Amino acid sequence: KNQVEQSPQSLIILEGKNCTLQCNYTVSPFSNLRWYKQDTGRGPVSLTIMTFSENTKSNGRYTATLDADTKQSSLHITASQLSDSASYICVVSDRGSTLGRLYFGRGTQLTVWP
Amino acid sequence: EADIYQTPRYLVIGTGKKITLECSQTMGHDKMYWYQQDPGMELHLIHYSYGVNSTEKGDLSSESTVSRIRTEHFPLTLESARPSHTSQYLCASSGDRENQPQHFGDGTRLSIL
Repeated sequence: KNQVEQSPQSLIILEGKNCTLQCNYTVSPFSNLRWYKQDTGRGPVSLTIMTFSENTKSNGRYTATLDADTKQSSLHITASQLSDSASYICVVSDRGSTLGRLYFGRGTQLTVWP
Repeated sequence: EADIYQTPRYLVIGTGKKITLECSQTMGHDKMYWYQQDPGMELHLIHYSYGVNSTEKGDLSSESTVSRIRTEHFPLTLESARPSHTSQYLCASSGDRENQPQHFGDGTRLSIL
């Protein structure tokens, strides 16, 4: 069964600290893995997209890694800011159809305290 | 930042009413999607479209219907709302290439009394 599991479910950190969010998936065949940020009451916004051949990609203070062999990804946030408080969603796309079916994780709820 | 808009943002309405949730995008994307999201849960695809006059049901069974008579517009309709339809509905669009991100609207939070 194709699944995307994220951990931890929630995380609280102090402003200025770093953190790492985890994503494990069983989706096969694999096309790409995406990280989205969803602020409360808003739609998800794309942070990174990685294909099979990419093992790291950065977007400002966000750095995503991908290990396609172990089917794991992580999102590292450096020098956290209050505005980083959000849900971070891992999404995996398969090659199985023209649509490129997307499998969504339930997200990690990050809270950054001052 | 993304040019995709949903209206209304919030809707509280009684059981049995007909509801249309609006979604428009100005990016010229052929692919559009409707998702349903409950608190703390993953997004579930309920409808998608490859282009004008193309609509398909998604993975999650839904009593809603959609139409796509213009590229930029992808409305979702509930003929007779029920409390079980209470949820957040997110619209998204994407380009045709495989590794392009989906752009999401800010959603409609629907509450059926």
